[in-house]
Amino acid sequence: DARVTQTPRDKVTEMGQEVTMRCQPILGHNTVFWYRQTMMQGLELLAYFRNRAPLDDSGMPKDRFSAEMPDATLATLKIQPSEPRDSAVYFCASGLDRDREVKGYTFGSGTRLTVV
Amino acid sequence: GDSVTQMEGPVTLSEEAFLTINCTYTATGYPSLFWYVQYPGEGLQLLLKATKADDKGSNKGFEATYRKETTSFHLEKGSVQVSDSAVYFCALTNSGYSTLTFGKGTMLLVSP
Repeated sequence: DARVTQTPRDKVTEMGQEVTMRCQPILGHNTVFWYRQTMMQGLELLAYFRNRAPLDDSGMPKDRFSAEMPDATLATLKIQPSEPRDSAVYFCASGLDRDREVKGYTFGSGTRLTVV
Repeated sequence: GDSVTQMEGPVTLSEEAFLTINCTYTATGYPSLFWYVQYPGEGLQLLLKATKADDKGSNKGFEATYRKETTSFHLEKGSVQVSDSAVYFCALTNSGYSTLTFGKGTMLLVSP
């Protein structure tokens, strides 16, 4: 089965440090999402790309977060500087836009970020 | 905007018990509805889906019927197993845009 690959799996960092999370979407998928999961807020949409173009990043704190797709095989989510409240599990998901209503999206295993 | 409301958990059941997890939604137009499952330490996996009213999605003994009149998509299973212990998310996507809107998730704990 094709998979969405996220790295690193776990990251512990000190407050103020830069954090970069990476996602390799499934080959051929044209839609990529970043979600953040916390106990309090559940799943929050941070950013959404279609054909590598950012379509919606309204859920992302702009002063410290940035999301990019340098090419079709890589999506990145960067936090600079990191803060303890950023501690969460960050998920990447990919899919084919025209199939979304039938197939939904495929999620990676997540990056668990802890900022101390 | 669109929204999904799920019953709060945890739902605690004994093995072989009947499961219902309630899900209702608010959306314009004709959304597609999904149930995702998250096992401990893993990402979300698509469990089942329904794309139009009265459709029934089913997978691994789980079922959910798209009820437009009650805007609901309740998840059911006739006999749960310990291995079904996980967090279940109800979600929708709408024809106007591509994002998935999730409920807050319901934890299911099944004991032997």
